[in-house]
Amino acid sequence: AQSVSQHNHHVILSEAASLELGCNYSYGGTVNLFWYVQYPGQHLQLLLKYFSGDPLVKGIKGFEAEFIKSKFSFNLRKPSVQWSDTAEYFCAVIFLNAGNNRKLIWGLGTSLAVNP
Amino acid sequence: SQTIHQWPATLVQPVGSPLSLECTVEGTSNPNLYWYRQAAGRGLQLLFYSVGIGQISSEVPQNLSASRPQDRQFILSSKKLLLSDSGFYLCACSTGSDYTFGSGTRLTVV
Repeated sequence: AQSVSQHNHHVILSEAASLELGCNYSYGGTVNLFWYVQYPGQHLQLLLKYFSGDPLVKGIKGFEAEFIKSKFSFNLRKPSVQWSDTAEYFCAVIFLNAGNNRKLIWGLGTSLAVNP
Repeated sequence: SQTIHQWPATLVQPVGSPLSLECTVEGTSNPNLYWYRQAAGRGLQLLFYSVGIGQISSEVPQNLSASRPQDRQFILSSKKLLLSDSGFYLCACSTGSDYTFGSGTRLTVV
């Protein structure tokens, strides 16, 4: 079965530290990849997405992610985090041509706390 | 672009009471519709999805049901709520691989 794994459940960083959140999926076919963020008390927002083309994707608020097909990974990065990046981060994948009606399959999320 | 209206934003219901959460979509036609639940400290769990009017697929066995009486209306229901039904419920729609999410309903069963 298709699945999405986020390795870090809780991450604590100081401001200006670099961030990398891991996301791996289990499926050898074509995928659409997403990172969503949920700030405290707010709705889910799309940070970035990858459908095809350049595997290095730039999103909002200085985030980027790199799709490495050979590693089935789509890690999220930010060179220098800010206190305002404190949030829950979700990786999600659509496994195309897998007969699942383009459902989003979600990782369990990573809670990021940035200390000022 | 598509917009989702989901209400109410918060709801406190006693155990054993019925539930009806409604979600409507604007700006698109014939979308796929989804109900997710996000329990505290956990990720999003897909409860139901629908690819058309009257077509409902259930992802997990549970105390809830869903209906799609119109193309852009998706309803989550329960006849008798359980304490374990507490959580954050999100409606979503998709056309192709583009998803839009509602603002969610925080349900507390007491």
